[in-house]
Amino acid sequence: DTGVSQDPRHKITKRGQNVTFRCDPISEHNRLYWYRQTLGQGPEFLTYFQNEAQLEKSRLLSDRFSAERPKGSFSTLEIQRTEQGDSAMYLCASSSSSGNTIYFGEGSWLTVV
Amino acid sequence: DAKTTQPPSMDCAEGRAANLPCNHSTISGNEYVYWYRQIHSQGPQYIIHGLKNNETNEMASLIITEDRKSSTLILPHATLRDTAVYYCIVRVPGSNTNAGKSTFGDGTTLTVKP
Repeated sequence: DTGVSQDPRHKITKRGQNVTFRCDPISEHNRLYWYRQTLGQGPEFLTYFQNEAQLEKSRLLSDRFSAERPKGSFSTLEIQRTEQGDSAMYLCASSSSSGNTIYFGEGSWLTVV
Repeated sequence: DAKTTQPPSMDCAEGRAANLPCNHSTISGNEYVYWYRQIHSQGPQYIIHGLKNNETNEMASLIITEDRKSSTLILPHATLRDTAVYYCIVRVPGSNTNAGKSTFGDGTTLTVKP
């Protein structure tokens, strides 16, 4: 499968714990995006990388959230000191430098208990 | 980014055409219209996009009005597997700013009935 890959697909964690999600974009894509989606809502933009540079961050990305893409390939999204309000699906997407079409992964579901 | 407006839900009979409308009255000249769909618990799936001309691919057709203020996604022969939430968004492809800030909204839940 050569699509966007996300891991883990599901994560249950206790409030206050840290969690990390990984995204492997489509191999030739140099743009990578993170979104968050809660039940009944559309995806909300969190952050965007072009190669290893993080070019945009949403106000939704609080100090507890950090995203990296160290070698311009895979990316990680870490949430520190999780809160119940962080429960959501975290979507990763990628596109080529032309950015014509953004392709999404299957998402990583986070449940904070 | 321009916002879009879609009806919250629609029904369609299996085998019939599903016509999903989208209003994007504040679209700017370099913004494209994109359609995605999301089947329960999966990531959004790209369907089609266009600037001002009508577009067709193996999944659907996209009709954009001449003033570009609205569009319609057409699934010519809907099947039960087309039941999903359909999102219409507008964005400028390739831009280094606002690249990911496409506003998805809440989409249209299409239910295809036997």
